[in-house]
Amino acid sequence: QSALTQPASVSGSPGQSITISCFGTSRDIGSYQYVSWYQQHPGKAPKLILFDVNNRPSGVSNRFSGSKSGNTASLTISGLQAEDEADYYCVSYTMRYTYVFGSGTKVAVV
Amino acid sequence: EVQLEESGGGLVQPGGSLRLSCAVSPFTANTDYVNWVRQAPGKGLEWVAVIYHDATTYYADSVKARFTVSRDTSKNTVYLQMNRVRAEDTALYYCARGGLVVTEPHYFFDYWGRGALVTVSS
Repeated sequence: QSALTQPASVSGSPGQSITISCFGTSRDIGSYQYVSWYQQHPGKAPKLILFDVNNRPSGVSNRFSGSKSGNTASLTISGLQAEDEADYYCVSYTMRYTYVFGSGTKVAVV
Repeated sequence: EVQLEESGGGLVQPGGSLRLSCAVSPFTANTDYVNWVRQAPGKGLEWVAVIYHDATTYYADSVKARFTVSRDTSKNTVYLQMNRVRAEDTALYYCARGGLVVTEPHYFFDYWGRGALVTVSS
């Protein structure tokens, strides 16, 4: 169960848009719409920001959006804000009835 | 509001055992499912195990045959029994409720606890 591949870091200026990619395989991302994304601030528990590729839970900003193509999922943060500075993780359900996390991406607002 | 609270963390020697608990409130036994996710110090998140509403369980390869997840629906509590622990099991262990759409699992984690720290060291 190798981790999904994410860039280690992504940065952007306030107001800009950034995209984080999540590379998987045909055994996980490629087979299901069950991709979710989590935001984690230092010392805090992760927080769900997207599920089923592009669905936002109640209370999550519409600046967060997601997509999927083949074995790759993506998270876009538009109108970047200082509070968006955090670690972001993708997760996919897999054909083995398990889950696999991405390696994590640190977002910096510079 | 849904709340999850882990307990039972601590220091354990390599090869030893430890049981973590996750109290879930509220808990709907015929639909809810609960995952365990861990995070080693300074590292990323790693999925560990899940127990579904029908008590079916699945595990990550890294813990299979050493860890066991179970539940007591009368206590609204899910457990993670950790046996034959190794140094690489040192982590903050989170329990996370599985997400539903209507009443069907959609395989995401919607509510998380604050975590229980497990340190494996002699």
